[in-house]
Amino acid sequence: KNEVEQSPQNLTAQEGEFITINCSYSVGISALHWLQQHPGGGIVSLFMLSSGKKKHGRLIATINIQEKHSSLHITASHPRDSAVYICAVRGTYKYIFGTGTRLKVLA
Amino acid sequence: DSGVTQTPKHLITATGQRVTLRCSPRSGDLSVYWYQQSLDQGLQFLIQYYNGEERAKGNILERFSAQQFPDLHSELNLSSLELGDSALYFCASSLRLDYTDTQYFGPGTRLTVL
Repeated sequence: KNEVEQSPQNLTAQEGEFITINCSYSVGISALHWLQQHPGGGIVSLFMLSSGKKKHGRLIATINIQEKHSSLHITASHPRDSAVYICAVRGTYKYIFGTGTRLKVLA
Repeated sequence: DSGVTQTPKHLITATGQRVTLRCSPRSGDLSVYWYQQSLDQGLQFLIQYYNGEERAKGNILERFSAQQFPDLHSELNLSSLELGDSALYFCASSLRLDYTDTQYFGPGTRLTVL
């Protein structure tokens, strides 16, 4: 079992839909990051979470430390949100990535 | 544009060869991370430097080495290359040492080993 699990692996949505991507981890962490990887390969850091909730535009990220779970929500999804979303955590002296969720938003 | 630069963008080489990938962090950032992204293994953390010193090590092979220079740019050296080393190599930089800081990713170097 991977130390960081993401679900779903693939997601297709219609424009305007509310989207949720989940990340569960089994290690103790100091922080969790959500990354977005564009079709061209570039990676952008969306959020860093150590507790609670953060919001940036249409994106919301939450983390529950006790349950070892984080969610990334996209409200009013748009085709330009199509990308791979990756969660990453720092465990003890190591950084571990989820396998990513490939999101496609159709117009 | 993240402010992190990586050269070269693409590199094609043969098995057994040695290559050097270069990363210049954002102005003012002291921490540099190297990551490997292959098709079958996803993103993997290789190594982190902070202000010239190695601070964390991940799944970096013994054939790979890295360093961070006084001007804070970093190089990743890959030697005795194998087909399986073909991947995208990203570097990222952040201001602080700890992982709670936002990381800014470079565009990556695509390495193809033939």
